[in-house]
Amino acid sequence: DQQVKQNSPSLSVQEGRISILNCDYTNSMFDYFLWYKKYPAEGPTFLISISSIKDKNEDGRFTVFLNKSAKHLSLHIVPSQPGDSAVYFCASHSGNTGKLIFGQGTTLQVKP
Amino acid sequence: NAGVTQTPKFQVLKTGQSMTLQCAQDMNHNSMYWYRQDPGMGLRLIYYSASEGTTDKGEVPNGYNVSRLNKREFSLRLESAAPSQTSVYFCASYYWRLAGGPEMDTQYFGPGTRLTVL
Repeated sequence: DQQVKQNSPSLSVQEGRISILNCDYTNSMFDYFLWYKKYPAEGPTFLISISSIKDKNEDGRFTVFLNKSAKHLSLHIVPSQPGDSAVYFCASHSGNTGKLIFGQGTTLQVKP
Repeated sequence: NAGVTQTPKFQVLKTGQSMTLQCAQDMNHNSMYWYRQDPGMGLRLIYYSASEGTTDKGEVPNGYNVSRLNKREFSLRLESAAPSQTSVYFCASYYWRLAGGPEMDTQYFGPGTRLTVL
């Protein structure tokens, strides 16, 4: 049972426009959510996170929104840049051991 | 700081062979993790070590063993490799306050080991 789902395997946007990546989760006990970015042949790198007590967290061009009633979070990138082209994973935190449960990933392509 | 290092970067094994993937971190993190990444599956947790001296199974532990050698090092062993274990393996470390809540929003992954089992 996939507890964290990213239903869009890929997304293509034009440079300068907004990219919106979506993520759904099923477990209402998840209390912390993270987004990671991954380039080919590299490990994932942490991008931004949000606690379940918040509904928005912003860091520069990146904003994460959390809708707890819908069990949905989204990552907005504005404006999108070609260097943002990568695979994006959302992850949720489970329990008190730091374990993360990842979604399947969304490949973002930003076209110049 | 090197962050999280993994060796080897690439490996090809024959079915039934054994090998150990090495991981080390120099950030004094207390928790370490092993994940595998397969196409369309995201990253799945194999084993983790919440603190030095402890290890626990993750989502897909079958066919693997781990050793938390010390606070810095966490190794993953395949005793008898199978083609289904062909994957990219990532080690990660994280500072996690066991009393609850992350101390900081920073989790570090190694560069990965690409393993092919023939």
